[in-house]
Amino acid sequence: KNQVEQSPQSLIILEGKNCTLQCNYTVSPFSNLRWYKQDTGRGPVSLTIMTFSENTKSNGRYTATLDADTKQSSLHITASQLSDSASYICVGSSGTYKYIFGTGTRLKVLA
Amino acid sequence: GAGVSQTPSNKVTEKGKYVELRCDPISGHTALYWYRQSLGQGPEFLIYFQGTGAADDSGLPNDRFFAVRPEGSVSTLKIQRTERGDSAVYLCASSPGGPPTEAFFGQGTRLTVV
Repeated sequence: KNQVEQSPQSLIILEGKNCTLQCNYTVSPFSNLRWYKQDTGRGPVSLTIMTFSENTKSNGRYTATLDADTKQSSLHITASQLSDSASYICVGSSGTYKYIFGTGTRLKVLA
Repeated sequence: GAGVSQTPSNKVTEKGKYVELRCDPISGHTALYWYRQSLGQGPEFLIYFQGTGAADDSGLPNDRFFAVRPEGSVSTLKIQRTERGDSAVYLCASSPGGPPTEAFFGQGTRLTVV
């Protein structure tokens, strides 16, 4: 069964600190792995997209890694800001439209 | 338009009623998707359109749910005989098409069935 699991479920950090969110996926056939940021009451916004041949991809203070052998991905946030408070969703895709969403990590950044 | 637009943003309806949720995708995007997000969960796939046709509707939970995209642009998700379990945020996304393409999501329609 295709599924995506994320950890931790929630995380609280102080402003300026770094954090890493984890994602384990079972998606077959595997096409790509995405990370989305979802603010409360808003739709998800794409942060990174990686295919199986890509190991890392950055988007500003966000850096995603992908290990296709272990089927693991991580999202590293550097120098966190209050605006980073949101849910971060890991998404596996087996094609152009079959997205398998994780339940997300809810991040809270405190001043 | 600049982004994916969904209307209404909130909809409260009584059990048993019929509702329509509208999605205006980004202009020129051929692919359109509907997802349903329950509280505390990730979005679940409902249906995918490529152009005017439903390429995959395997995520629709039952025959009370139906979606159309008659002109390959605007899409409407229709729910008949709504049930309290249908309460969720319904998300629409569009993409230019072609793998791997980025999907742009709308803000969602929060449906509450009372």
